[in-house]
Amino acid sequence: NAGVTQTPKFRILKIGQSMTLQCTQDMNHNYMYWYRQDPGMGLKLIYYSVGAGITDKGEVPNGYNVSRSTTEDFPLRLELAAPSQTSVYFCASRSLGAAFFGQGTRLTVV
Amino acid sequence: EDKVVQSPLSLVVHEGDTVTLNCSYEVTNFRSLLWYKQEKKAPTFLFMLTSSGIEKKSGRLSSILDKKELFSILNITATQTGDSAVYLCAVDDSGGGADGLTFGKGTHLIIQP
Repeated sequence: NAGVTQTPKFRILKIGQSMTLQCTQDMNHNYMYWYRQDPGMGLKLIYYSVGAGITDKGEVPNGYNVSRSTTEDFPLRLELAAPSQTSVYFCASRSLGAAFFGQGTRLTVV
Repeated sequence: EDKVVQSPLSLVVHEGDTVTLNCSYEVTNFRSLLWYKQEKKAPTFLFMLTSSGIEKKSGRLSSILDKKELFSILNITATQTGDSAVYLCAVDDSGGGADGLTFGKGTHLIIQP
C-alpha cells in the first residue's frame, strides 16, 4: 500500500534556486495539503486542494506555488529559494476522516 | 493567536508512569479533533473525535473530547520507551476539509527507562 508518496526525501538548495517537491497519493482522496514543520512549531498549512483544478492558500503560502492537474498529484513549487524556507515539508491527503501523511522532504537552503 | 493549544509542550516521565496530554481549541465550525503521534518521520494517526464524552481507546492509549469546554485529553497508561514521541493535536474547523487541519505545536514526550 503506497498511500502518500513524497520525493525527494532530502534536498539542499542554494539561495535563488528553484525546485518542485512531488506528492502523489493512490487513495483517490479529494483533499490534499502541503504543510511545513519547523522545530517546536507544529505543522503550518502552506496550500491545499479540494480536488483536481482547485487550489487555495493556507496560512503560510508566500514563496510557494502549487497545481493540481489530477486527483493523484499535488506538486509544490519553490521559485526563488530563501533560507527561511529551510524546513521539513509534509504532503497529506484525506477524504472525510483522518489525514494521511507522506514521509516528508527535508529541505535546506544555503 | 493560536487556535489549537497543547500542554505541556514537553514532558519527561519514567517508564510505567501514566501521562495526560492536553489540547484546547478555539474554532468557529468544529468538525473533528484528531491526535497524531510523530516520531522521527511523518505523523501517524491515533484517534479522531467528533462527539463529546465518548472515549476512544486503543491499547494503552485513550482520548476523550469535551465540546462544551473545547478541549481534549490523550492518556497513556503504563508508558514504555517506545511511547517517546511528539504528540500532535489537530482540529478540523472547515466542515468539509477545505481549510485543512489546524495543528497545535505538539507535546514532546520523553519516557525514561
